[in-house]
Amino acid sequence: ETGVTQSPTHLIKTRGQQVTLRCSSQSGHNTVSWYQQALGQGPQFIFQYYREEENGRGNFPPRFSGLQFPNYSSELNVNALELDDSALYLCASEDGFSYEQYFGPGTRLTVT
Amino acid sequence: AQKITQTQPGMFVQEKEAVTLDCTYDTSDPSYGLFWYKQPSSGEMIFLIYQGSYDQQNATEGRYSLNFQKARKSANLVISASQLGDSAMYFCAMRERSNYQLIWGAGTKLIIKP
Repeated sequence: ETGVTQSPTHLIKTRGQQVTLRCSSQSGHNTVSWYQQALGQGPQFIFQYYREEENGRGNFPPRFSGLQFPNYSSELNVNALELDDSALYLCASEDGFSYEQYFGPGTRLTVT
Repeated sequence: AQKITQTQPGMFVQEKEAVTLDCTYDTSDPSYGLFWYKQPSSGEMIFLIYQGSYDQQNATEGRYSLNFQKARKSANLVISASQLGDSAMYFCAMRERSNYQLIWGAGTKLIIKP
């Protein structure tokens, strides 16, 4: 196991609602990235946070937003949910010195 | 432009045989890392092996080895003596030194037959 945890494991929401997903980084890791993985596809980068600041963003609309806290845990917020937001959301933490990212088990979001 | 290409959507392999999963990549950054991850049906992304662009030797981790051909921009994963538990999706990914994100291929679904 990587030491990265995510909650909740599964979530069902209705179109138009808002959702918050949470990620707890591995100890000592100050950087967290979020990815969206639609069914049958590879993950797509959403954004990265480094020491509480957004460090980069992929091609996702502003209704996808995030936070990183002083203990380096993180949240992904999605407003005005759409059916296409149904996916597995993965977070990954890293120490900023090596290339490797350590992934959590993911949150599976279903939007109906 | 697609930077990671995995041309095998699915593969069936007999148990105990070796299997090669293909991955080609494209980058202009001389410094980059290549990764292979395994994703079982549970969804967790499991790190398998890493190859740095300046590494002189091919990476190996137990039954996994990476056939790195820099001039051809390929980074194929070789699994020796396949096991039933190897059945999963396999993703190739790249991270450039100049970038902060992992760029992923579309994956290969590997099924090991008993």
